[in-house]
Order: sequence, then structure tokens, then C-alpha cells
Amino acid sequence: GAVVSQHPSWVICKSGTSVKIECRSLDFQATTMFWYRQFPKQSLMLMATSNEGSKATYEQGVEKDKFLINHASLTLSTLTVTSAHPEDSSFYICSALDRVGNTEAFFGQGTRLTVV
Amino acid sequence: AQTVTQSQPEMSVQEAETVTLSCTYDTSESDYYLFWYKQPPSRQMILVIRQEAYKQQNATENRFSVNFQKAAKSFSLKISDSQLGDAAMYFCAYRSGQTSGSRLTFGEGTQLTVNP
Repeated sequence: GAVVSQHPSWVICKSGTSVKIECRSLDFQATTMFWYRQFPKQSLMLMATSNEGSKATYEQGVEKDKFLINHASLTLSTLTVTSAHPEDSSFYICSALDRVGNTEAFFGQGTRLTVV
Repeated sequence: AQTVTQSQPEMSVQEAETVTLSCTYDTSESDYYLFWYKQPPSRQMILVIRQEAYKQQNATENRFSVNFQKAAKSFSLKISDSQLGDAAMYFCAYRSGQTSGSRLTFGEGTQLTVNP
């Protein structure tokens, strides 16, 4: 199956700093990528939909100035958590839709963010 | 808007036995896809099985099969000959087939425990 690589798998940062998470489709082109946030023992909550070459579409309640998403190429999308605070600590997951097939979403390994 | 409901927060099964996880959904669309994803402790999302709404035949992948009842909007997952490695959180998900690049809508998840 197609591979989506998410990096880093875990990160600890100080409050007030910014953290960038990368999501790469390794063997396919992804026109659309999705960013999710997941709290322990809960479902995935969609934060934003990212389309290559255009601005991301954010879900209601998600601060776009805090969670910056860039999808500059068909294989890379990034999520930057700006001015991180402890309440931003969570598990973040990306997924990508194959440009050709466009049916199945492939998921990255996830990133555990801890803000201290 | 589409919704997906998993009414069983937790389920348990004895090793080698069969277990069925329930999922219902609500949609007014006729063209869509349904998925079951597995999330083990590593938190990597793994696609277990997929069903296209236009197909009447229930999907099967080795020990995993679904009971797709389109009129009832029900999509249950049956795991036969349960193995210890099946222990995970299972998510039912819906995706529209009418819109290119559409999102996945997830249920709340069912935590499956497999007892030796």
C-alpha cells in the first residue's frame, strides 16, 4: 500500500515556541491532505483540509493563525503549531488522498506533541 | 451532514472466538464509501476493510468481514478467530463518493480487548 511518512513521531517543546510537523507521501502524489488531532481514547478530530497550491480549509473552532498549514507540493504538507501552549499537547495525525485513485486515505504514523 | 455512530465504547472477546462491532451512519447520499480502521497501541491507523455503497456484496478480508445493510444504514464488522494482535481501537468511517477529495467522518471508536 501507499506510504505516508510523518515526522517527527514525538516532540517536546517549551511553551511559547513553534513546532513544525511534516507529512510526506512517499510513493504517490497527494492532491489533498488532512490534519487531525486526537485526544486519548477519543476519535480523530479533523482540524483542516489541505489542497496543494491553495489555502487550507479549517474546521470550525480551529484557529488558523495558530495551526499554520502549508501544502506547497503534491508530496508534502506541513502543520506548524505557533506559540505552543500546554493545552496544545496532543497527538496529531495526517492523512493523504492518492491523486489518481482518490478513494482511500493513507495515514501517517502520527506525532505526539508535548508542550512544557 | 453525515454522521457515524459506534454504540459500543468497549468490547471484549476470547481468543479464537468471533466478535461483531456495530456501526450505523446517516447520509442522504447514494454514492459513498465505508471503512473500518484499526488503531493499535502504536496509534498508526490501519485500514481493515472497505465497502463501496454501490456494491451489494459484503466485503471480506481474510478473518474480517462486514455486514452492510444499506437500507438500515448499518455497517458492522465481524472478526473471526480473534487473535491477540486484533486488540485495538476500531473506528468506522464514512466518505462521500460524490465529492472529489472529501473527508473521512469517523465514529467514536470501539476499544476491543482480546482475552487469552
